[in-house]
Amino acid sequence: EVQLVETGGGLIQPGGSLRLSCAASGFTVSSNYMTWVRQAPGKGLEWVSIIYSGGSTYYADSVKGRFTISRDNSKNTLYLQLNSLRADDTAMYYCARHSSGWYGVIDYWGQGTLVTVSS
Amino acid sequence: EIVMTQSPATLSVSPGERATLSCRASQSVSSNLAWYQQQPGQAPRLLIYGASTRATGIPARFSGSGSGTEFTLTISSLQSEDFAVYYCQQYNNWPPITFGQGTRLEIK
Repeated sequence: EVQLVETGGGLIQPGGSLRLSCAASGFTVSSNYMTWVRQAPGKGLEWVSIIYSGGSTYYADSVKGRFTISRDNSKNTLYLQLNSLRADDTAMYYCARHSSGWYGVIDYWGQGTLVTVSS
Repeated sequence: EIVMTQSPATLSVSPGERATLSCRASQSVSSNLAWYQQQPGQAPRLLIYGASTRATGIPARFSGSGSGTEFTLTISSLQSEDFAVYYCQQYNNWPPITFGQGTRLEIK
């Protein structure tokens, strides 16, 4: 069974840093495209970043230069490093897996970890 | 970046009736369109991909149609568990993948 469990969220002051983790089971993280999607309170879904199975990474313009996606193959875990955090980064952050057959389709989502940026 | 626009923002329908949700792309996305359902306090769930193919375990009352720039999600005979927020997402020209702003389906 595919499972994604995010941790690492919390309350952080503007300008601070956090590292989110997403522990995967039931599949191999390095074999799939893996993505982070966020959702501000009461708002819609916003794609944040993706790492391809080959290791290439891409970011939304809103987080480029501040966030870094990575993975640890030995731990089968995906990460998102969040730096220079701003109030508008406050959101639930979901880790998600892309389908192996339909690469642009997200077929599994974690339950999310909440990041709150506030002084 | 392709902009996805969903309508209406909120749709009120009675249980047992049919709901029709729309999604429009700012440029053609061919059939590279997915639909997700999000229940309150939960993560999204994949319903439809390829514009019309149901994901594993999705009931037949959910159907998708369209291509190019106009897409529709139809839910026939609404059940209580279908009242949720629905998002469309394009994956024709990505990254970035882009989502619509969502349609909230509420009980009338």
